[in-house]
Amino acid sequence: RKEVEQDPGPFNVPEGATVAFNCTYSNSASQSFFWYRQDCRKEPKLLMSVYSSGNEDGRFTAQLNRASQYISLLIRDSKLSDSATYLCVSLYYSSASKIIFGSGTRLSIRP
Amino acid sequence: EPEVTQTPSHQVTQMGQEVILRCVPISNHLYFYWYRQILGQKVEFLVSFYNNEISEKSEIFDDQFSVERPDGSNFTLKIRSTKLEDSAMYFCASTQNTEAFFGQGTRLTVV
Repeated sequence: RKEVEQDPGPFNVPEGATVAFNCTYSNSASQSFFWYRQDCRKEPKLLMSVYSSGNEDGRFTAQLNRASQYISLLIRDSKLSDSATYLCVSLYYSSASKIIFGSGTRLSIRP
Repeated sequence: EPEVTQTPSHQVTQMGQEVILRCVPISNHLYFYWYRQILGQKVEFLVSFYNNEISEKSEIFDDQFSVERPDGSNFTLKIRSTKLEDSAMYFCASTQNTEAFFGQGTRLTVV
């Protein structure tokens, strides 16, 4: 099982729709989670950090469920500019620190 | 806001040449990482570095690769004899507890 698994894409939704991504992680020692967006040929850019149960920033809501070991990202009222690949990332640190990337989910918003 | 900086942003090199990719992590961070992303593929872990030594490396990180923290601020990735398949975006990251920051990447093109 991959350490971080994401919804297979691509997602193709109309502008204004609500879209949700799920991400599961296998290492219960994971302590912090992040959603990054990546535009084609660019570096991943931090969208949201998720440390406790969740985080909300405008149209974006991230939720963490430690019992079920998944993180979700909800995008409301999607815009054309939301088209990108969304990467789920987990970070754990104890005797060592490790960042694990999911393989990413591609989102395409159509007019 | 703190940032991880990488230089150069783009490097073109001939096959067989050595390249050094440079990164300046966040000053109080203790863990450092290199990742790469071949165009159109997922982000792949190369190596993590802590306390002046490699803490973990992937199977991609073979004898052609090495990392160094020569002066307490820079964190470098050296590829001794580049191959065409080393062409990718290379990302540096640093973490401390719940913080993780990525550099903007170096696009390496091997011709």
